[in-house]
Amino acid sequence: KAGVTQTPRYLIKTRGQQVTLSCSPISGHRSVSWYQQTPGQGLQFLFEYFSETQRNKGNFPGRFSGRQFSNSRSEMNVSTLELGDSALYLCASSTGPGVKEKLFFGSGTQLSVL
Amino acid sequence: GESVGLHLPTLSVQEGDNSIINCAYSNSASDYFIWYKQESGKGPQFIIDIRSNMDKRQGQRVTVLLNKTVKHLSLQIAATQPGDSAVYFCAENQNAGKSTFGDGTTLTVKP
Repeated sequence: KAGVTQTPRYLIKTRGQQVTLSCSPISGHRSVSWYQQTPGQGLQFLFEYFSETQRNKGNFPGRFSGRQFSNSRSEMNVSTLELGDSALYLCASSTGPGVKEKLFFGSGTQLSVL
Repeated sequence: GESVGLHLPTLSVQEGDNSIINCAYSNSASDYFIWYKQESGKGPQFIIDIRSNMDKRQGQRVTVLLNKTVKHLSLQIAATQPGDSAVYFCAENQNAGKSTFGDGTTLTVKP
């Protein structure tokens, strides 16, 4: 079974631009969550999607948004990029809401904002 | 608010020794904990988990201990190998995709 796939692997953007990251969950997993990982703040929860609906949201500004498609694939978007948005963005999949379970992570997208 | 933290940011051990990585949590209602291993260039990978109705759980070369009284858990790695070198995170899973992660401990195994 293929794991969680994230594209692209690396991105370089400049301040003020926007970026879209993509995530394909493990087949059969319907929940996709996103995390930001930085050396200073560690792993921070961004949001979670299930059945094309955002179910949970972390403490990030509205510039961070996401969506999920009917095939469970998800995208996250960051608008008006700031230097502090430079981070590793990780996508994780799981079976669904209402269950406490382990997460399966992709390798992440490394975003550098110049 | 809720937090999950680790006691030491780095740990260096000799190959073949046992490693112990500690983690403290603040929410007494937390009832499901997971340890992840993150190698360079990869996302975190599941190692072992434990629910609050247990005090101990064992896997292959790994053991997780949970002390609910002092809100502490630990990951023990037996006969540590160079391939165990990585960053280890404890996490509390609140619901499906939402977890709170600790800061991570970097384990270095010296040959």
